[in-house]
Amino acid sequence: DTEVTQTPKHLVMGMTNKKSLKCEQHMGHRAMYWYKQKAKKPPELMFVYSYEKLSINESVPSRFSPECPNSSLLNLHLHALQPEDSALYLCASSRHPRGLSSYNEQFFGPGTRLTVL
Amino acid sequence: SQQGEEDPQALSIQEGENATMNCSYKTSINNLQWYRQNSGRGLVHLILIRSNEREKHSGRLRVTLDTSKKSSSLLITASRAADTASYFCATDARRTGTASKLTFGTGTRLQVTL
Repeated sequence: DTEVTQTPKHLVMGMTNKKSLKCEQHMGHRAMYWYKQKAKKPPELMFVYSYEKLSINESVPSRFSPECPNSSLLNLHLHALQPEDSALYLCASSRHPRGLSSYNEQFFGPGTRLTVL
Repeated sequence: SQQGEEDPQALSIQEGENATMNCSYKTSINNLQWYRQNSGRGLVHLILIRSNEREKHSGRLRVTLDTSKKSSSLLITASRAADTASYFCATDARRTGTASKLTFGTGTRLQVTL
């Protein structure tokens, strides 16, 4: 299994809703990432988990709350979002979070397209 | 922002022609990677070049890296309609013992017509 899956594919939510995005990989990767991508822009890193521990938070607002329950799963909990948070949310994983090897290419999921009304 | 710049922003060529995209970045890097993204979908890793490498090939792809100029180029030879996508360079400035952290360039939208 060489893919990263994300659910749901599409999500529409109101500003008072609480929802979660889910990401899963079974490649044995120990680094997982959340990115946000606005239309016609490059992905922007939000969070990095390394060996199931949060290692990078790119000053993301607290209305986004990541969680890594185990080495295969990554969640992004959403609460009280704003319309400007509407974007494609991408999850990725890579093999070696801290190793000397440069085999750190990232494998991306198809993304969740989020619309906040 | 440490985001890299890519040029051109958009490129339209005919099938069979070569496509060249350029990437410039601002900080020292451990490696540089190129990704492809079909419209509104996830990114696909194409090739990784380490900071001590100058050129790398993979199939119809050729990547060069000039760390003195902080620039890289991606050449796609004999392009096909299926190569139509956005292409992003991404720099990884991680130090040994730290997690990988990619910073993506602004991207080049490639259109290959029949």
